[in-house]
Amino acid sequence: SQKIEQNSEALNIQEGKTATLTCNYTNYSPAYLQWYRQDPGRGPVFLLLIRENEKEKRKERLKVTFDTTLKQSLFHITASQPADSATYLCAPSDTGRRALTFGSGTRLQVQP
Amino acid sequence: DAGVIQSPRHEVTEMGQEVTLRCKPISGHNSLFWYRQTMMRGLELLIYFNNNVPIDDSGMPEDRFSAKMPNASFSTLKIQPSEPRDSAVYFCATSRAGQGGDGYTFGSGTRLTVV
Repeated sequence: SQKIEQNSEALNIQEGKTATLTCNYTNYSPAYLQWYRQDPGRGPVFLLLIRENEKEKRKERLKVTFDTTLKQSLFHITASQPADSATYLCAPSDTGRRALTFGSGTRLQVQP
Repeated sequence: DAGVIQSPRHEVTEMGQEVTLRCKPISGHNSLFWYRQTMMRGLELLIYFNNNVPIDDSGMPEDRFSAKMPNASFSTLKIQPSEPRDSAVYFCATSRAGQGGDGYTFGSGTRLTVV
């Protein structure tokens, strides 16, 4: 069966450091993978999309990598800030399947 | 743009009552998705529509759940009769249909508590 694995344990880092979150998937052949941010009491917010033919994508302090051989995506936040504290969800999308399935998310806590 | 608008924000109801959740998508977004989120199960897809037509309702838990999209501006998710295990946050999300790759815009959700 299809599975998306994100570290369920919270990631605690110091302000200014780089946060790296992992998304592993099995039994998917994703044409692309998306990352979302969710704050308590709010809906997820779209951050970045990376396609299967892209190895890396950047947006400001965010960087996403996508390794279809390892079946893994890494999400990096450089120069992290306390305002980056949130839960981050990944969502691989199978070719031809329109609706996203989300991982359970990893909570990031950036300490000042 | 007001974004995806969901109502109500909170709903507390007694077991056995009918509950109707509402969603107004972003204009021009012709794909609409209903998700449910709980601590135990995370974010689960219930049903999605494309151009007002239900495409995949395999995530709908049981016959007590139904969803409609009578026009491009409105969708409802109904639970009848409601049960305590239906307590969750229900999100509506929309996107532009196409070749894929558009991010979803989520509403603020409806927190449902069935007592």
